[in-house]
Amino acid sequence: GDSVTQMEGPVTLSEEAFLTINCTYTATGYPSLFWYVQYPGEGLQLLLKATKADDKGSNKGFEATYRKETTSFHLEKGSVQVSDSAVYFCALSDQSYDKVIFGPGTSLSVIP
Amino acid sequence: EAGVTQFPSHSVIEKGQTVTLRCDPISGHDNLYWYRRVMGKEIKFLLHFVKESKQDESGMPNNRFLAERTGGTYSTLKVQPAELEDSGVYFCASSQVLGEKLFFGSGTQLSVL
Repeated sequence: GDSVTQMEGPVTLSEEAFLTINCTYTATGYPSLFWYVQYPGEGLQLLLKATKADDKGSNKGFEATYRKETTSFHLEKGSVQVSDSAVYFCALSDQSYDKVIFGPGTSLSVIP
Repeated sequence: EAGVTQFPSHSVIEKGQTVTLRCDPISGHDNLYWYRRVMGKEIKFLLHFVKESKQDESGMPNNRFLAERTGGTYSTLKVQPAELEDSGVYFCASSQVLGEKLFFGSGTQLSVL
């Protein structure tokens, strides 16, 4: 079945460091890909998405490109802030859109 | 506009007891989903309602779990009897149209002792 794998955390970075969180997926067909974020004490929020190959999703300085050839959707940010500390989930939905399949999550802590 | 609300935010119960979680989706959202995250692992799909009908309940782990959405508004998820492995965070999400952005609640942290 469809699945999502992402790098194990926790990840600890200093403020203004470069962030990469790797994500790869297994799916039949052409899924849509997402990054969700959960800030402390809050629910999951959609951070960005891409619906077809070579699409780039971006939001709040974060970017991820849908790479069909490598089945990847790595999350990047050039300069992280303390406020980016959260758990990040890579996810996909199949063409029927009836459910979203999540990866295990990567906890990010950014220290001043 | 109110977001997706879940109640309670935390629940601590003993093995064998019954717990009922509630989710109020955003008003007008026909699609309602339940997910859970156990032991810090991936968030797993439990089931999907379209209005009051169960569209997909393939993720429900066993018959100790019962989800309802009477009237197509709020939903409840009952665990009876609860087991230790049911501990985790239970998320509810809703969307207005299938395939559109999901709005998640803050989750219910369930601890079964």
